[in-house]
Amino acid sequence: GAVVSQHPSWVICKSGTSVKIECRSLDFQATTMFWYRQFPKQSLMLMATSNEGSKATYEQGVEKDKFLINHASLTLSTLTVTSAHPEDSSFYICSAGFAGEGSYEQYFGPGTRLTVT
Amino acid sequence: AQSVAQPEDQVNVAEGNPLTVKCTYSVSGNPYLFWYVQYPNRGLQFLLKYITGDNLVKGSYGFEAEFNKSQTSFHLKKPSALVSDSALYFCAVRDSHGNNRLAFGKGNQVVVIP
Repeated sequence: GAVVSQHPSWVICKSGTSVKIECRSLDFQATTMFWYRQFPKQSLMLMATSNEGSKATYEQGVEKDKFLINHASLTLSTLTVTSAHPEDSSFYICSAGFAGEGSYEQYFGPGTRLTVT
Repeated sequence: AQSVAQPEDQVNVAEGNPLTVKCTYSVSGNPYLFWYVQYPNRGLQFLLKYITGDNLVKGSYGFEAEFNKSQTSFHLKKPSALVSDSALYFCAVRDSHGNNRLAFGKGNQVVVIP
């Protein structure tokens, strides 16, 4: 149980285009989803927290107009990288949590490798 | 704000030997502590957690961790390492006040030598 999927698993796009990444909780309802960015051999950097039906909360230094997050349902959150540039190339990971009895951990998706050329 | 320190960049251990990955934390109030493992180009897999109760927590794949409140530590251990345990290990903490944001350590690369 508690499986999170991401799509696509990898994407290559040209500079200036936009890319959408989907994060789905497959067998549970995720009240909260998190988006992380990870550079090679580094830790995860939290970008934003999204709760279903409300605006995402962005971490300091993350441009909300560049990284658009939508959490339209309890099983789907999307991250759109707008006007992508090579410096946006990274590994993006989402996670999901739910307010269930005894559940405290986040469940992570497999990640999306974004390469901007 | 909560934080995690994983003091070692890489841990090398011979196959069959005990494996320890160190973690210390800082958080206001009672901590919720987690260990995750990451294989190359993959997301994080949950290994174990400490919320309350027994200080020794047993998790997946034979891993365990001991919560030590006085030393603010949550070291990950495995009695006998396997080559397949070679991966990146992350310790994480959150507080118990309803803030569900996790703070991650920098990660430890574990290399198990055959």
